[in-house]
Amino acid sequence: KAGVTQTPRYLIKTRGQQVTLSCSPISGHRSVSWYQQTPGQGLQFLFEYFSETQRNKGNFPGRFSGRQFSNSRSEMNVSTLELGDSALYLCASSYRTGDINTGELFFGEGSRLTVL
Amino acid sequence: GENVEQHPSTLSVQEGDSAVIKCTYSDSASNYFPWYKQELGKRPQLIIDIRSNVGEKKDQRIAVTLNKTAKHFSLHITETQPEDSAVYFCAAFTFRDDKIIFGKGTRLHILP
Repeated sequence: KAGVTQTPRYLIKTRGQQVTLSCSPISGHRSVSWYQQTPGQGLQFLFEYFSETQRNKGNFPGRFSGRQFSNSRSEMNVSTLELGDSALYLCASSYRTGDINTGELFFGEGSRLTVL
Repeated sequence: GENVEQHPSTLSVQEGDSAVIKCTYSDSASNYFPWYKQELGKRPQLIIDIRSNVGEKKDQRIAVTLNKTAKHFSLHITETQPEDSAVYFCAAFTFRDDKIIFGKGTRLHILP
């Protein structure tokens, strides 16, 4: 079974630009969540999507947004990039049943964003 | 909302010794506590988890304990080996918010 795939793996942007990251979950997984990883801050939850609906959102500004498609693939977008947005962005998929998502998270390798 | 604190941020132990990483959480509604290991340059992977109706769980050299009253849980690694060197993240899943909150991680160094 193929793992979680994230593209692109690396990208460099300048302040004020926007970026779109993509995540393809494991086949059969309908829940996709996104995390920002920075040194010293661990994994900070951005949002989670299930069946094309955003189920939860973390404490990030509105510049961070996402969506999920009918095939469960998800994208996240960051607009008006700031230097502090430089980070590794990880997505994870999980097998969700009903309204409960207590399953294992399967992470992708991440997209490393550098903002200059 | 939920807050998860993890200590220590860095831990160095001699190969063969034991390592203990501790986490506390704030929301008594949390009911699922996974631990993820992230090796350098790799993706985080689940190594063990525990649910709120269990006090302890073991898997070979790894064990997790949960104290619901005190709202803390710990990861224990015995007979440490070089391949245990990594960053370890604890997390708490809060039923009410339906999202996982991670601790800030512990960088474990296994000294030869």
